[in-house]
Amino acid sequence: DAKTTQPTSMDCAEGRAANLPCNHSTISGNEYVYWYRQIHSQGPQYIIHGLKNNETNEMASLIITEDRKSSTLILPHATLRDTAVYYCIVRVDSAGNMLTFGGGTRLMVKP
Amino acid sequence: GAVVSQHPSRVICKSGTSVKIECRSLDFQATTMFWYRQFPKKSLMLMATSNEGSKATYEQGVEKDKFLINHASLTLSTLTVTSAHPEDSSFYICSARQVDSNQPQHFGDGTRLSIL
Repeated sequence: DAKTTQPTSMDCAEGRAANLPCNHSTISGNEYVYWYRQIHSQGPQYIIHGLKNNETNEMASLIITEDRKSSTLILPHATLRDTAVYYCIVRVDSAGNMLTFGGGTRLMVKP
Repeated sequence: GAVVSQHPSRVICKSGTSVKIECRSLDFQATTMFWYRQFPKKSLMLMATSNEGSKATYEQGVEKDKFLINHASLTLSTLTVTSAHPEDSSFYICSARQVDSNQPQHFGDGTRLSIL
């Protein structure tokens, strides 16, 4: 699986958009970009995933660059409950494939 | 949406005890489940892949006789930490994905194991 690079930590003001970047310059054509987050002492929570096109759901938006070498997770209106570690993972979309977690980005949403 | 239930959420026991952790997929079937371990302020590390009806596949450095995995049905996998010692204290998390589906993996809420 392709390696990802994320900033170690970020701050965001409550109510503002949180933009979390991820570099995956070695991504292969059949690898998806997944985003999960982990709130303290809980299991990771799925947020969103995509292959080439930008994606949006009730939680977030995923913007993937045209060359697919980087992506940005956008939380449009961050709340204090969005404080968590956010993991960007790339892998082939197969039921048998596990997820390999890197260090993630620790997002702190401040009042 | 898909839900993975993990039980118990917290265990505190004496050294030498064996502890069983259950992972259930509540509204879908999963031929494959995954077990992770997470130490404080660290990321999740895959321990093993649990395959329904066959032996689990362990990652390098994980003792299969220490961490027994059983995946007896399409909705249940168990991890037994045998003869647990203080160094086994950790946060154990399972995940599963629906068979033949484009749904993503979903995770349980984890089990915090503390060995005294």
